[in-house]
Amino acid sequence: AQKVTQAQTEISVVEKEDVTLDCVYETRDTTYYLFWYKQPPSGELVFLIRRNSFDEQNEISGRYSWNFQKSTSSFNFTITASQVVDSAVYFCALSSNSGYSTLTFGKGTMLLVSP
Amino acid sequence: EAQVTQNPRYLITVTGKKLTVTCSQNMNHEYMSWYRQDPGLGLRQIYYSMNVEVTDKGDVPEGYKVSRKEKRNFPLILESPSPNQTSLYFCASSLWGPTDNEQYFGPGTRLTVT
Repeated sequence: AQKVTQAQTEISVVEKEDVTLDCVYETRDTTYYLFWYKQPPSGELVFLIRRNSFDEQNEISGRYSWNFQKSTSSFNFTITASQVVDSAVYFCALSSNSGYSTLTFGKGTMLLVSP
Repeated sequence: EAQVTQNPRYLITVTGKKLTVTCSQNMNHEYMSWYRQDPGLGLRQIYYSMNVEVTDKGDVPEGYKVSRKEKRNFPLILESPSPNQTSLYFCASSLWGPTDNEQYFGPGTRLTVT
């Protein structure tokens, strides 16, 4: 069985603060894939990143960065200098070799960025 | 434009009245799936289909049926809806499976069962 835990239900920050969203996963497989999705207030799901288990390099894309640590089974997401437009629900998700047909989502973290 | 479409976008119905939510993709994807999103529970997979010949249950299949007669369509059927199926439903597709680089999600269908 695979599991994704996003312990932070809601985070509130003021614009320009940095914020980190935590994601901890569980899987017995050695090959797996981790994802982050964003769901803005409009409701659609926006793909942010995919990372496979063999690539532990951290990723940076503009103000977004991701820290993948297999030793702690974590795939955390940091937004630098947050903006109001970053307000959304963020989901971490996992798909692994044995459960390759399914994508397991965490419960999501709601990020509120105030001006 | 590459997209996944769902219809209807909003639906209010009564307990026991059969309904179908359609899902269609124009990207020639093999893999399609349905999720429901509930507050505090995230997205949970209902059913998925690896191709037109393979369909299987996800984590919360009870009360739902699906059909994959054509590659592009994957309708979700509620034979006898109940209030606990009130939820936001998303259809998704990808080329081969959920490990693909990106799942393409539809816009969502908000269903209310009274």
